[in-house]
Amino acid sequence: KNEVEQSPQNLTAQEGEFITINCSYSVGISALHWLQQHPGGGIVSLFMLSSGKKKHGRLIATINIQEKHSSLHITASHPRDSAVYICAALAASNYQLIWGAGTKLIIKP
Amino acid sequence: KAGVTQTPRYLIKTRGQQVTLSCSPISGHRSVSWYQQTPGQGLQFLFEYFSETQRNKGNFPGRFSGRQFSNSRSEMNVSTLELGDSALYLCASSEGIRLQFSEQFFGPGTRLTVL
Repeated sequence: KNEVEQSPQNLTAQEGEFITINCSYSVGISALHWLQQHPGGGIVSLFMLSSGKKKHGRLIATINIQEKHSSLHITASHPRDSAVYICAALAASNYQLIWGAGTKLIIKP
Repeated sequence: KAGVTQTPRYLIKTRGQQVTLSCSPISGHRSVSWYQQTPGQGLQFLFEYFSETQRNKGNFPGRFSGRQFSNSRSEMNVSTLELGDSALYLCASSEGIRLQFSEQFFGPGTRLTVL
């Protein structure tokens, strides 16, 4: 079992829909990162959080430390949101990032 | 500020050769991390450097090595290339070493193909 699990693996939705991507982890963490990777490889850091909730534009990230679970939400989704979304847990034991497999999101116009 | 730059962007090598990849972090960032991304394995951590010292190392064979210079630029080297080394190699920089406080900024990657 991977230490960081993401679901769903693939997600296709219509423009305007509310999107939720989930990330569960089994290790003790110091922080959790959400990143976005566009076709061609470029990775952009979206959020880094260790508790509660963060919001940036149409993106919202939440984390529940007790349940070892984080979610990334996209409101009013747009085709330009199409990308792979990756969560990465910063292990408290050795400060290494453990990466989820990613969620490929396609937003259709 | 300029972003993280990586050179070269694309590279084709043959088995047995060696390769050196370069990463220039964002100005003022002292921490550089390297990752390997393959379709089957996803992103895997290679190593992390801070102030010219390797602070953390992932589970890769000794063929993979790296270093960091006094200007924070970093290089990674892979010797005796194998077909399985074909991947996108990403470098990321951050201000501090503690990733719970420092956001990582990624470069565009170097796509290595081993024939």
